[in-house]
Amino acid sequence: AQTVTQSQPEMSVQEAETVTLSCTYDTSESDYYLFWYKQPPSRQMILVIRQEAYKQQNATENRFSVNFQKAAKSFSLKISDSQLGDAAMYFCAYVHSGAGSYQLTFGKGTKLSVIP
Amino acid sequence: EPEVTQTPSHQVTQMGQEVILRCVPISNHLYFYWYRQILGQKVEFLVSFYNNEISEKSEIFDDQFSVERPDGSNFTLKIRSTKLEDSAMYFCASSGDRGTDTQYFGPGTRLTVL
Repeated sequence: AQTVTQSQPEMSVQEAETVTLSCTYDTSESDYYLFWYKQPPSRQMILVIRQEAYKQQNATENRFSVNFQKAAKSFSLKISDSQLGDAAMYFCAYVHSGAGSYQLTFGKGTKLSVIP
Repeated sequence: EPEVTQTPSHQVTQMGQEVILRCVPISNHLYFYWYRQILGQKVEFLVSFYNNEISEKSEIFDDQFSVERPDGSNFTLKIRSTKLEDSAMYFCASSGDRGTDTQYFGPGTRLTVL
């Protein structure tokens, strides 16, 4: 079974600084997708970024970028120029691209605080 | 921008009662999901639904749970006889015409079982 591990229960960052959230995963599959979701206090799950395992290029989305290391099974999220609105729980998630199994497996999350 | 909607936002019920949680997925999506999140814990998969049938379910999704797509827009989760441990946030999600398309989540329904 696939597992997703987020080893940092809490992180903090100064406003305008950069922070990196860690995620590792365990899978025997070669074809899969990885995601970061943000959950603000409203508890809505909001997609931040997506990475296809077959792509070597790291995904970026404005101030958000990932460092995807397939061999190491590592998928970290970098937030640049942190803003107060970035304060939230961040969940790393995995989905295998095999036929018929598309459930997301989530990590336990990292709570990010942004200090003004 | 299209979004997944869920009603109600908060449901309070007595133990043993039946509840129905409702979701309207994004209109051209074909895959539908329910997840739950017990307070302070990670999000857990319950069930996926495609082509009018369950395609996958977790161990959590026992006989007390059922899903239905009663018309072309709604997707419901029914819990037949609620237990205290069913108290959680329930999220509906939908994705496009491929199972590996990004899943977009609704705002969630907070279920409180007393």
